[in-house]
Amino acid sequence: DVKVTQSSRYLVKRTGEKVFLECVQDMDHENMFWYRQDPGLGLRLIYFSYDVKMKEKGDIPEGYSVSREKKERFSLILESASTNQTSMYLCASSARGYGNQPQHFGDGTRLSIL
Amino acid sequence: DAKTTQPPSMDCAEGRAANLPCNHSTISGNEYVYWYRQIHSQGPQYIIHGLKNNETNEMASLIITEDRKSSTLILPHATLRDTAVYYCIAENSGGGADGLTFGKGTHLIIQP
Repeated sequence: DVKVTQSSRYLVKRTGEKVFLECVQDMDHENMFWYRQDPGLGLRLIYFSYDVKMKEKGDIPEGYSVSREKKERFSLILESASTNQTSMYLCASSARGYGNQPQHFGDGTRLSIL
Repeated sequence: DAKTTQPPSMDCAEGRAANLPCNHSTISGNEYVYWYRQIHSQGPQYIIHGLKNNETNEMASLIITEDRKSSTLILPHATLRDTAVYYCIAENSGGGADGLTFGKGTHLIIQP
């Protein structure tokens, strides 16, 4: 079975802290994604990666960075956390291909910045 | 990606088939229809996808009309655990190179 694991379900941090969210997939997928999901705003793409050490900005990359040193792991970094980054963060992965590759999601990390 | 339209909510009795419609009248020839669902406080879950032919897997069946302008997701024997928001997406990358965009979806409530 497909498995995407996010390191924490719930996380509370303080303003100004550097925050690391980790995601691991066991499907040997090339593509990995980080989203945030907010009520009324739906799913928004922060960053994605199509290979090790490769990354592309999504729709809302400001205030975030990512790291992909190994194929199975994709990390999201909040450089200096702010209260407007309080959200549900979702990691996903998909195989490389055209038009026929669904994304598989983790259970999400509900992050609160105080 | 083609715009999709879904009813905001639906009820279904437990044990019955749940039929969730989706309209995608502007779908282009190379766009697939994907269905995901999201149970409260969990990540979205992939259900099924198709291009032209009807598809079935262990979770659901997908019926796509011949003109591809609409589709129906069928959960054959709905259970209480199928209560969730169901999202229909029409796009041609599978999210392989682009992020997914969910609309408002259909909130399916399974009644005991």
